[in-house]
Amino acid sequence: DAGVIQSPRHEVTEMGQEVTLRCKPISGHDYLFWYRQTMMRGLELLIYFNNNVPIDDSGMPEDRFSAKMPNASFSTLKIQPSEPRDSAVYFCASSPRAGVGTQYFGPGTRLLVL
Amino acid sequence: GDSVTQMEGPVTLSEEAFLTINCTYTATGYPSLFWYVQYPGEGLQLLLKATKADDKGSNKGFEATYRKETTSFHLEKGSVQVSDSAVYFCALSDRGNAGKSTFGDGTTLTVKP
Repeated sequence: DAGVIQSPRHEVTEMGQEVTLRCKPISGHDYLFWYRQTMMRGLELLIYFNNNVPIDDSGMPEDRFSAKMPNASFSTLKIQPSEPRDSAVYFCASSPRAGVGTQYFGPGTRLLVL
Repeated sequence: GDSVTQMEGPVTLSEEAFLTINCTYTATGYPSLFWYVQYPGEGLQLLLKATKADDKGSNKGFEATYRKETTSFHLEKGSVQVSDSAVYFCALSDRGNAGKSTFGDGTTLTVKP
């Protein structure tokens, strides 16, 4: 099992550019989560999906952020336009079951917006 | 709503010292409880879990017991190693919360040789 796969692992971009982060969850997992981690704010849940449907996007900071899950094996998190305060590590995680389900995290994408 | 409160860090210990990281929670339902560990430059990974009251989760010498009466899930290890240096997150997953987990703020542990 390859685990949760995220790409790219590192991204450096300039303010105003569009950034797309990608995630492939573990096969058979029903839930997919996007998190952001910074020193100042810690680990924040941005959005999560159940069976490809967004369930809760209340953590998405503003309209510049959007997420999609077109099928069970792929999700994207897009930032357009990017700003320096978006610099963070973005994690994708998947979970096989609600309630008692353990979350399996990817290695993260380290984003730096200049 | 659900919440998790962890002992503030950072925690610095000498090798072979005893470790306790406190965690208390608030939940409306009957949550499952988790400890995750994050090594530098990596994502979080499950360390141990417990799904009902009085269950003890254990892994790699770490233990935590689900205490419903005190709403706690303290992490312990009898003898830490330098390789245990990491950030530790307490979390809960509530059946009534549609799959979402609530995480604590994380506690950074540094073990010195």
